[in-house]
Amino acid sequence: KAGVTQTPRYLIKTRGQQVTLSCSPISGHRSVSWYQQTPGQGLQFLFEYFSETQRNKGNFPGRFSGRQFSNSRSEMNVSTLELGDSALYLCASFPGGGSTGELFFGEGSRLTVL
Amino acid sequence: GEDVEQSLFLSVREGDSSVINCTYTDSSSTYLYWYKQEPGAGLQLLTYIFSNMDMKQDQRLTVLLNKKDKHLSLRIADTQTGDSAIYFCAEINYGGSQGNLIFGKGTKLSVKP
Repeated sequence: KAGVTQTPRYLIKTRGQQVTLSCSPISGHRSVSWYQQTPGQGLQFLFEYFSETQRNKGNFPGRFSGRQFSNSRSEMNVSTLELGDSALYLCASFPGGGSTGELFFGEGSRLTVL
Repeated sequence: GEDVEQSLFLSVREGDSSVINCTYTDSSSTYLYWYKQEPGAGLQLLTYIFSNMDMKQDQRLTVLLNKKDKHLSLRIADTQTGDSAIYFCAEINYGGSQGNLIFGKGTKLSVKP
């Protein structure tokens, strides 16, 4: 069974640009969450989607947005990039509904903003 | 607000036991988790414990939960060099689901041969 797949793995952008990151969850998983990981702030929750609906949102500015498609694949977008957006963005999936509690993480997309 | 705290570094010798400690704030958390992150990789669930349990053992891993003190610990017996990684404690954010976790900053475990 394929794991959570994130693309691209690495990317470099300049300030003011925008970026779209993609996440394909494990087959059959209907919930997808996104996290930002930085050395200073650690892991911070961005948002969670279930069946194409945003279920929860973290404390990030409106420049950060996301969506989920009918096949459960998810994308997140960051507009007007700032230097502080440089981070590892991690996607995680789980079946949704009643489950054991495990989140399955992808390897992340490492974004560098110059 | 909710917060999860853990010490940042731990160094042990191969074969010794490692104990990583964590304190959390939300007493209503139903699950508490330990995740492991190796260099260049995503997070991997090591183990979790239900809030109505005091202890859970899984091979070399022992999790202890003290709900009164909101203290969680992870003990790794017979620590190996392959256990070197960052270990994160996490709880479910208040009112959220298992997809919405609050993580500690992570404890970097270094295992010396």
